[in-house]
Amino acid sequence: NAGVTQTPKFQVLKTGQSMTLQCAQDMNHNSMYWYRQDPGMGLRLIYYSASEGTTDKGEVPNGYNVSRLNKREFSLRLESAAPSQTSVYFCASSVTSGGAYEQYFGPGTRLTVT
Amino acid sequence: DAKTTQPTSMDCAEGRAANLPCNHSTISGNEYVYWYRQIHSQGPQYIIHGLKNNETNEMASLIITEDRKSSTLILPHATLRDTAVYYCIVRVLPGGSNYKLTFGKGTLLTVNP
Repeated sequence: NAGVTQTPKFQVLKTGQSMTLQCAQDMNHNSMYWYRQDPGMGLRLIYYSASEGTTDKGEVPNGYNVSRLNKREFSLRLESAAPSQTSVYFCASSVTSGGAYEQYFGPGTRLTVT
Repeated sequence: DAKTTQPTSMDCAEGRAANLPCNHSTISGNEYVYWYRQIHSQGPQYIIHGLKNNETNEMASLIITEDRKSSTLILPHATLRDTAVYYCIVRVLPGGSNYKLTFGKGTLLTVNP
């Protein structure tokens, strides 16, 4: 199993450009999440999808949109990038019944907006 | 979710036990204690969780006080690869709208040779 994969690993955008961060998991998990981590800070939840077909806002959703394309894939879109969105973005997934409900994280996408 | 307090940083000698404390004095009866860690530049990794009993797995042990107001994560034989930021998180199990995992600033554990 590859676990949680994210593409791209690095990206540089100019202010106002748009882009989509891709995330896929092969663990048959119901729930998926997008977090951002700014330097020296903990992770903050942007959006999550409790199950296929549903998405909900987290702590810091402004400036982002998401799509739960299918059970495996959950994408994060920046419509008009701003320097404040310079961050490391992590995707995660988890089960929602039984077990420890632990979240499995991808390797991250490092985004710089100039 | 209850707020947690952790020391900013700790040091540990390689091969010795690392004991990482966490205070969660406002924890509710249905909230679990979770521990994650984040090695530099990587995504966080789940370590262990518990409700009120002590727990042990292949990575670590979790000791929760009887009043559940604090807990300690124990890495029994720390190695250099255990150098990471350790996050203590208190949360209810997911359901309804309770899917958030709130990360604070955690404890930077440095394992020294």
